[in-house]
Amino acid sequence: KAGVTQTPRYLIKTRGQQVTLSCSPISGHRSVSWYQQTPGQGLQFLFEYFSETQRNKGNFPGRFSGRQFSNSRSEMNVSTLELGDSALYLCASRQIRGLRETQYFGPGTRLLVL
Amino acid sequence: KQEVTQIPAALSVPEGENLVLNCSFTDSAIYNLQWFRQDPGKGLTSLLLIQSSQREQTSGRLNASLDKSSGRSTLYIAASQPGDSATYLCAVSGGSNYKLTFGKGTLLTVNP
Repeated sequence: KAGVTQTPRYLIKTRGQQVTLSCSPISGHRSVSWYQQTPGQGLQFLFEYFSETQRNKGNFPGRFSGRQFSNSRSEMNVSTLELGDSALYLCASRQIRGLRETQYFGPGTRLLVL
Repeated sequence: KQEVTQIPAALSVPEGENLVLNCSFTDSAIYNLQWFRQDPGKGLTSLLLIQSSQREQTSGRLNASLDKSSGRSTLYIAASQPGDSATYLCAVSGGSNYKLTFGKGTLLTVNP
């Protein structure tokens, strides 16, 4: 089975721009979660999508949004980029079988905001 | 609010040594605890998952224990190898969702 894929792998943007990141989960996995990783804050939960619906949201401003498509692929959008948005953005997928399962993480998209 | 702390932040050991990484969490109402490994610039690889009703899990040279009542977990690595060098992250999930709360990790260096 192919793993979780994320595109693009690297991205450079300037302040004020917007960016869209994509995540394709493992085939058959219906839940997709997004995390932001920075040296200062570590890994922080952004949101989780299941069956095209956002089920949970972390403590991030409204500039961070996402969506999930019927094929379970997910996109994350950040508008009006700030320097502090520079981070590694990780996507994770899992099947829904209760809480016994681990999440499988993709390689991440490294975003640099100049 | 759940908080996860990992000690030490960094650890350097000679090859072959047995070692223990520590993780503590403030809210004992968790569903499970996971240990992940992260290589530089890469995503996370799940190592072990311990359900809240379990006390430990083993995989090869790795053994993870969980003491939910005291809010602690340890990851034991036996006979460490240079290939074990990575950042090890502890994460807990709790509540009605599957949000993971992570510690900041332990950077492990195993010297040949």
